[in-house]
Amino acid sequence: DGGITQSPKYLFRKEGQNVTLSCEQNLNHDAMYWYRQDPGQGLRLIYYSQIVNDFQKGDIAEGYSVSREKKESFPLTVTSAQKNPTAFYLCASSIEGVSGVSFYGYTFGSGTRLTVV
Amino acid sequence: AQSVSQHNHHVILSEAASLELGCNYSYGGTVNLFWYVQYPGQHLQLLLKYFSGDPLVKGIKGFEAEFIKSKFSFNLRKPSVQWSDTAEYFCAVNEVQAGTALIFGKGTTLSVSS
Repeated sequence: DGGITQSPKYLFRKEGQNVTLSCEQNLNHDAMYWYRQDPGQGLRLIYYSQIVNDFQKGDIAEGYSVSREKKESFPLTVTSAQKNPTAFYLCASSIEGVSGVSFYGYTFGSGTRLTVV
Repeated sequence: AQSVSQHNHHVILSEAASLELGCNYSYGGTVNLFWYVQYPGQHLQLLLKYFSGDPLVKGIKGFEAEFIKSKFSFNLRKPSVQWSDTAEYFCAVNEVQAGTALIFGKGTTLSVSS
């Protein structure tokens, strides 16, 4: 089955530590996205990548970093600079790439819940 | 900047009641519009989408939405809800000219009692 795999499902981090969230897709989609979901805040865009080796900041990129070395993979690193990292993180992909125009919508993974302890 | 407003944070209905969830966006240009649903413990799923043609679009599970360009709205409707419709619903907008990622509203939690 094609889809998006996010791992781990739950992650605990000590304050001051960096942590990397994995996102892998086997849908052959060009574009990939990271959103953060907080109660009552909806989904807020962290970073997105429309093509390999290229990515753009979203609305809340501070304290996060990404890489896109392979089409299938778009890992997100939550750095110690992120002041409030406890949240639910969602990765998505879409078949539309460079144009950014979405006619089909996004496919989402099942998410990673990060808790800072 | 583009924004998406969902007016109701939490809607509580009894089974068989009709549903309408509001969604308004701020961008004046061409947009593609989406409604997603997140059932408890599950990932986001696409309910329906609009990008051109008939402004009344039908999606899965009996949901429909109407695009009213003059009101910048894309409200979600269902004539008769079921207990299994209990979920969080998100409206999302894609600005065609800008070519950026989907912008989501803050979501509406729907609770249906049997």
